[in-house]
Amino acid sequence: EIVLTQSPGTLSLSPGERATLSCRASQSVTSSYLAWYQQKPGQAPRLLIYGASSRATGIPDRFSGSGSGTDFTLTISRLEPEDFAVYYCLYGSLPRTFGQGTKVEIK
Amino acid sequence: EVQLVESGGGLVQPGGSLRLSCAASGFTFSSYAMSWVRQAPGEGLQWVSGINSGGDRPFYADSVKGRFSISRDNPKNTLNLQMDSLRAEDTAVYYCAKSSSYGDRGYFDLWGRGTLVTVSS
Repeated sequence: EIVLTQSPGTLSLSPGERATLSCRASQSVTSSYLAWYQQKPGQAPRLLIYGASSRATGIPDRFSGSGSGTDFTLTISRLEPEDFAVYYCLYGSLPRTFGQGTKVEIK
Repeated sequence: EVQLVESGGGLVQPGGSLRLSCAASGFTFSSYAMSWVRQAPGEGLQWVSGINSGGDRPFYADSVKGRFSISRDNPKNTLNLQMDSLRAEDTAVYYCAKSSSYGDRGYFDLWGRGTLVTVSS
C-alpha cells in the first residue's frame, strides 16, 4: 500500500508570497494518478491538479503541479487571500490514499 | 447542473446500521466509477469504498471491509453505502465522489457536500 507524506504540516505565509507544498510517496507511483485538492472549512475538497501537473477546469494559473516517481510538488506562485486552506494529495490507485494534508495559514 | 447530493446521515448507536445514498445529476452516471470518502472531525480525508461503473466490482478500505457494502443503481443515478456494525471511529462526514474513470484507478473530479454520520450512545 502506498503511503503519501505531505510536508510541511503547516505553512505560514503572507498574501503575495510563494507556497511550495510537498507530497512524497513511499514507493514510485504513476504520475497519471497523482492529484491535489484544496479544502476550506465546511466545504468539500476541490480538485486543483490531476496527472501531477494538469490544472483542473477553472483553476487559476498561479497553481501548478510538478514531480514524478516519489516526489511531487504543488506550487502557488502568489498567494491570494482565498488560497489559505488545507491541501491534500491523492494517489488514485487502489487502495486510494490521501496525504495527511498541509495547512496554508496567514502569517 | 452537474452535482452529487448525499443523504441518509444521522445519529446511530454503536453496533447499529445506516444507509447512505448519493443522487447524481448532470453527467452520464453509468460511465464512471464512484466512491465514498470520509473525514472525521478535525482530521484528514480517508477513502472508504469504491465501485466500478458497471456496479459489479466493489472495493473497500481494510477498516470497513466486512461491515460496509457499496452498491449503485445506474438507471436511477444513485450510489449507496450500507454501513453495519458501526463504531465510534466511523463518525465522520461522508462524501460521495465521482471518479475520473470507469474502473479502479483515477482521481476524484466531482464531490458532494457530504453527510454527517455520528456513532454514539
